[in-house]
Amino acid sequence: GAGVSQTPSNKVTEKGKYVELRCDPISGHTALYWYRQSLGQGPEFLIYFQGTGAADDSGLPNDRFFAVRPEGSVSTLKIQRTERGDSAVYLCASSPTSGFGANVLTFGAGSRLTVL
Amino acid sequence: KQEVTQIPAALSVPEGENLVLNCSFTDSAIYNLQWFRQDPGKGLTSLLLIQSSQREQTSGRLNASLDKSSGRSTLYIAASQPGDSATYLCAPQTGANNLFFGTGTRLTVIP
Repeated sequence: GAGVSQTPSNKVTEKGKYVELRCDPISGHTALYWYRQSLGQGPEFLIYFQGTGAADDSGLPNDRFFAVRPEGSVSTLKIQRTERGDSAVYLCASSPTSGFGANVLTFGAGSRLTVL
Repeated sequence: KQEVTQIPAALSVPEGENLVLNCSFTDSAIYNLQWFRQDPGKGLTSLLLIQSSQREQTSGRLNASLDKSSGRSTLYIAASQPGDSATYLCAPQTGANNLFFGTGTRLTVIP
């Protein structure tokens, strides 16, 4: 697609529920990133995929968070047993890893998660 | 870990003024630095990218400079307009998955 697409744009859930957030990167971009932005803060790194594998998941806050990218394109960020502190905007970005624009990230509009 | 500081945290100017946003970072071993714009409730829009070998980049009324050795970048906005009102984020990049953000400068341009 023309840009990075994220769904849903807004998600309201109750504490303890399971949530999935989807990211559709730019076609052909092999690298995909998830960031989390809390109110009044800059985005913070969560996880980075190179193709289908998670090359760096050091930013995931705990084992309730998990992300997959089974076919090297669309990625899903999964949050189990949500807590109020998980409320944030979850941003996805993608980039090529070679050629023009290598490692230059293009961000989606984000998914705003609210945990009540 | 890269620490990024943006000053001021908020800025309010009358329309037409020129202004400068400042960014400092602790790890100078970067290979590029990006300035992003973020409108309320929206994602990030890339404004300018400066490679580590460059000193500045210009796009329209925007000019970004980079002094890698001192760990500083500035974003200059000429002839500000109300439509420039947004949060501006600085993000130095030290690796493929090492893009660090400051907390941003919230700009309000008053008509």
